[in-house]
Amino acid sequence: SQTIHQWPATLVQPVGSPLSLECTVEGTSNPNLYWYRQAAGRGLQLLFYSVGIGQISSEVPQNLSASRPQDRQFILSSKKLLLSDSGFYLCAWSRQGYEQYFGPGTRLTVT
Amino acid sequence: SQELEQSPQSLIVQEGKNLTINCTSSKTLYGLYWYKQKYGEGLIFLMMLQKGGEEKSHEKITAKLDEKKQQSSLHITASQPSHAGIYLCGADRVSGNTPLVFGKGTRLSVIA
Repeated sequence: SQTIHQWPATLVQPVGSPLSLECTVEGTSNPNLYWYRQAAGRGLQLLFYSVGIGQISSEVPQNLSASRPQDRQFILSSKKLLLSDSGFYLCAWSRQGYEQYFGPGTRLTVT
Repeated sequence: SQELEQSPQSLIVQEGKNLTINCTSSKTLYGLYWYKQKYGEGLIFLMMLQKGGEEKSHEKITAKLDEKKQQSSLHITASQPSHAGIYLCGADRVSGNTPLVFGKGTRLSVIA
C-alpha cells in the first residue's frame, strides 16, 4: 500500500529565515506530486505540482520554490520567509488521472 | 478559471439528523472529488464522481453528480459525531490529469 510522509509536523520560524519542508511517498513509482497551502478563510491553494523528476509547475511563484530531486521526494523551500507564509502545508500524490492522496500536513507559523 | 462554491459554509446538526452539502462549479465538471478533513490533519479521500447522474455511497455518506455535471451533493444519513469535520469538494480543471481546484469547504459539527 502507498503512504505519504511529511515533516516536520509543526514549525515556528522567524521572518526572514529559510524554509525546507519535505514530502516523501512510499509504495508507488512516478507519482504526480503536489504542494498546497491552506490558510484560514482561503481554502486550499495549489502552490506547485510535478509530473516527474525535475519537472515543476508553479502556480504561486512569490518567494516559495519546489524541487523534486528523486522520484518520490518533493521539497518546498524558501530563502526568506514572510509573515504571509504562515499556514498549513499539505503534500499530495496521485497516479495519472486518479484521485489525490494527502499527507498529514505541516503547520508553519512565521513570527 | 474554474471555481467551486460550497454551501453551506458551516453546519451544525443534531446527532441522528440527515444533512446535505452542495458543491457548484462555474464550469463543466470532468471529475468531482469529495474529501473530509479533521482540524489540523490531512484530507481523507471519500469518493470520486465522473459521469453525469452518477451516485456513490460509502457507509452513510452518499454523493451524487448531477446530469449537467456542474453540481454535486454530499448527503449524510443519520449523522454521528464521527462525521464532524470539514468537507471539501475538488474538481479536475480540465479532462485528464491536472491538479485539482478546491472549494473552501463546509465545516460540519454534530451535537449530541
